Amino acid sequence: QKEVEQNSGPLSVPEGAIASLNCTYSDRVSQSFFWYRQYSGKSPELIMSIYSNGDKEDGRFTAQLNKASQYVSLLIRDSQPSDSATYLCAVNVGGYNKLIFGAGTRLAVHP
Amino acid sequence: GAGVSQSPSNKVTEKGKDVELRCDPISGHTALYWYRQSLGQGLEFLIYFQGNSAPDKSGLPSDRFSAERTGGSVSTLTIQRTQQEDSAVYLCASSLARESYEQYFGPGTRLTVT
Repeated sequence: QKEVEQNSGPLSVPEGAIASLNCTYSDRVSQSFFWYRQYSGKSPELIMSIYSNGDKEDGRFTAQLNKASQYVSLLIRDSQPSDSATYLCAVNVGGYNKLIFGAGTRLAVHP
Repeated sequence: GAGVSQSPSNKVTEKGKDVELRCDPISGHTALYWYRQSLGQGLEFLIYFQGNSAPDKSGLPSDRFSAERTGGSVSTLTIQRTQQEDSAVYLCASSLARESYEQYFGPGTRLTVT
């Protein structure tokens, strides 16, 4: 089993809809969870971090964490074509600073 | 403020040559990481530096790979006797390790081994 799993996609949503991206992880002691956005040919850009169970909102983005289920998600409201990118889920491993990244979910927002 | 910088942005080298990739982290960030991303693939952890502690080298794929960090700031990743499978984008990230694990990435170096 991979340590961090994501659906590769592509996830296709119409402009204005809610995009829901999901991630599961295997290390029960993980404490820090991150979502990165990566445009084609660019480096990953941090968009959300979450450390506690529940929801964390930042603008159009909401991160959701459920440690009991070892599940973290990212919701993007009012999706825009500019949101089209690959979204990487990252989880810290064993209480250390090292992050393990999922393979990413490709999101396509069509007008 | 200035972000993480990397040089060169692109490097083309012949198989068997050595290459050096440079990373300059965000000022004040004590932790520095190297990752590799092959075409269409996820990020592969290579090595992690934290302050003056011994680096975590657990991700280095072979002994042809090495890295150092001088003065707790700039880092150099060296690949000796490059092979075609080394072709990838090499990404550097830095973080304020003791306060958060949030890592910020540089633009990467695209390495092509011919």
